This record gives sequence, structure tokens and C-alpha cells, in this order.
Amino acid sequence: DIQMTQTTSSLSASLGDRVTISCRASQDISNYLNWYQQKPDGTVKLLIYYTSRLHSGVPSRFGGSGSGTDYSLTIANLEQEDIATYFCQQGNTLPWTFGGGTKLEIK
Amino acid sequence: QVQVQQSGPQLVRPGASMKISCKASGYSFTNYWMHWVKQRPGQGLEWIGMIDPSDSETRLNQKFKDKATLTVDKSSSTAYMQLSSPTSEDSAVYYCARGDYGNHVGFPYWGQGTLVTVSA
Repeated sequence: DIQMTQTTSSLSASLGDRVTISCRASQDISNYLNWYQQKPDGTVKLLIYYTSRLHSGVPSRFGGSGSGTDYSLTIANLEQEDIATYFCQQGNTLPWTFGGGTKLEIK
Repeated sequence: QVQVQQSGPQLVRPGASMKISCKASGYSFTNYWMHWVKQRPGQGLEWIGMIDPSDSETRLNQKFKDKATLTVDKSSSTAYMQLSSPTSEDSAVYYCARGDYGNHVGFPYWGQGTLVTVSA
């Protein structure tokens, strides 16, 4: 199975900051990297698919980049509503696997 | 609009049978695979498997091959997951999520999650 690693399990930032969350795959996943946001109430939403494509309705302050094994999610101008845990997920090879998550908190 | 609505929380006795439902609306149910994801308390997300509602073809994570059974009822646009012989390790929130074309580009629509507690 492909292992997905998010080395930062929690991150503290100030409102208005630019935040970057990283994700590394154990092998090349050919840009099939998706990002999700999980709110404290458990609600899960797709933010970014195929590395950098914004899912419908997602604010443009969210962006994604990367290639090969290394990927990142960037949030520009952090807002209060962005407090959540963020998970990466590879869609290259079954079984689909997720990173351990990065919990974003306000400083 | 696309909606995926799951059944309510369950308290299950160890070893008893249990089944979670996931009702889809707002799209053609047979056009997209349905996925199931497990999240234990304070933990990350784990993909259990997926089912093609058009023909019930199923792909399971090998870790869950003896634990989870996925089915659908096309007449009611509902997907089901049954967990066999539940133990405390099966206590978790379970999500269903609709896939997208090819299933490589993530799960764009998620249910609200179903909390399963296995306890005597």
C-alpha cells in the first residue's frame, strides 16, 4: 500500500496568515493527490483534486501544488472558518490511502 | 443538489450483526461508485472499499475483506455496509462518500458520518 505522510500533525497560525500543509507519498502518485477538510463537527469536504484543481464552491484562497511524491496545500489569508483538520489522499493506486491529518488552529 | 444521507448512530453488542445505510439523491445513483471510510476516535481516515451501484462490483481494502460487506439497493438509491462480528476495534465513525469519474480524483460528496459504538 502507498503510505501518505503528513509530518506536521498540528499547526498554529494567525488570521490573515498564509499557511502551507505538506504531504509526502511513499512512491510517485502521478499527481493523483486530493485534499480534504474535516471540521470539528466531523463534516468532511473535498477541497482540491488532482493536485491543484479546486472543487466546486471552494474559496480561491485554497490552492494545491506538487508532483511525484511531494505535495502541498496552501491557504492564503487564513480565516476563522478554516479551523479544521486537513487530510491528503492518494488516488493513484488501490487501496486509496490518506495522510494522518494536520490540525490547524488559530494562534 | 447531490446529497448523501447516512443512518443514525448505533450501539452494537460485540459479535452482533450491524448494517449502516447511505441514501443518495440529486444524481443518477448508478453512475458513480460509492465509497466507505472509517475513522476511529482521534485518528485519521481509512478507506474500506467501494461499490459500483450499476452492477454491485466491489473493491475492498484487503484489511477489511473479512470484516465489511458492501451492497446496494438500486430501487431506493441506497448503499449499505455490513460489519461482521463487531469488536471494540470497530467502534468508529463510518462515512460513505460518492466517488467521481474514474475514482482517482477524490470523493466530492460525503455523508455526515455514522457513529458505531461496540459495547456489551
